[in-house]
Amino acid sequence: GAVVSQHPSRVICKSGTSVKIECRSLDFQATTMFWYRQFPKQSLMLMATSNEGSKATYEQGVEKDKFLINHASLTLSTLTVTSAHPEDSSFYICSARGLAGGPAETQYFGPGTRLLVL
Amino acid sequence: GQNIDQPTEMTATEGAIVQINCTYQTSGFNGLFWYQQHAGEAPTFLSYNVLDGLEEKGRFSSFLSRSKGYSYLLLKELQMKDSVSYLCAVMDSNYQLIWGAGTKLIIKP
Repeated sequence: GAVVSQHPSRVICKSGTSVKIECRSLDFQATTMFWYRQFPKQSLMLMATSNEGSKATYEQGVEKDKFLINHASLTLSTLTVTSAHPEDSSFYICSARGLAGGPAETQYFGPGTRLLVL
Repeated sequence: GQNIDQPTEMTATEGAIVQINCTYQTSGFNGLFWYQQHAGEAPTFLSYNVLDGLEEKGRFSSFLSRSKGYSYLLLKELQMKDSVSYLCAVMDSNYQLIWGAGTKLIIKP
């Protein structure tokens, strides 16, 4: 149980284009989903927290107009990187928290999406 | 400020035991997590401690002392496949996870 999927796993795009990443909780309802970014050999950095049906809460320094988050249902959240630039190239990971059978506060992670902006 | 400290890298021998320490200073405490992360992959959940003491799960055990702001992850009977990174994370009073930078474990035959 507690499976989280992410799609796509890898994407290469041209500078200036937008990229949408989907995060789904497959076997539980995720009341809260989180979006992280991780650069090589660095710690996970929380970008935003979203609760189903409400606006996402962004961390300081994260541009909400650039990283659009939609959490339309209890099993799906999307992150859209708008007008991507090379410095947005990173490993984007989502996690979900909900009634998954384990400790209530556990975040279960998707496999991540590697974004390369040329 | 909030801070999680864990060693950057540790080396151990196959078949042996290794203890990875984590100390923390956070605004509030709602539990401590250990995750395992293979290079280039997302973290996977290992353990959760919210009360003092030792939680054992197979070859892995996790210990917590809230008064000391301290935890450790103990790995027994080390296998080569355990050569990955281990992340310590604390949930603060706002139920946000504060992450350590991770400990890369190197296992030698």
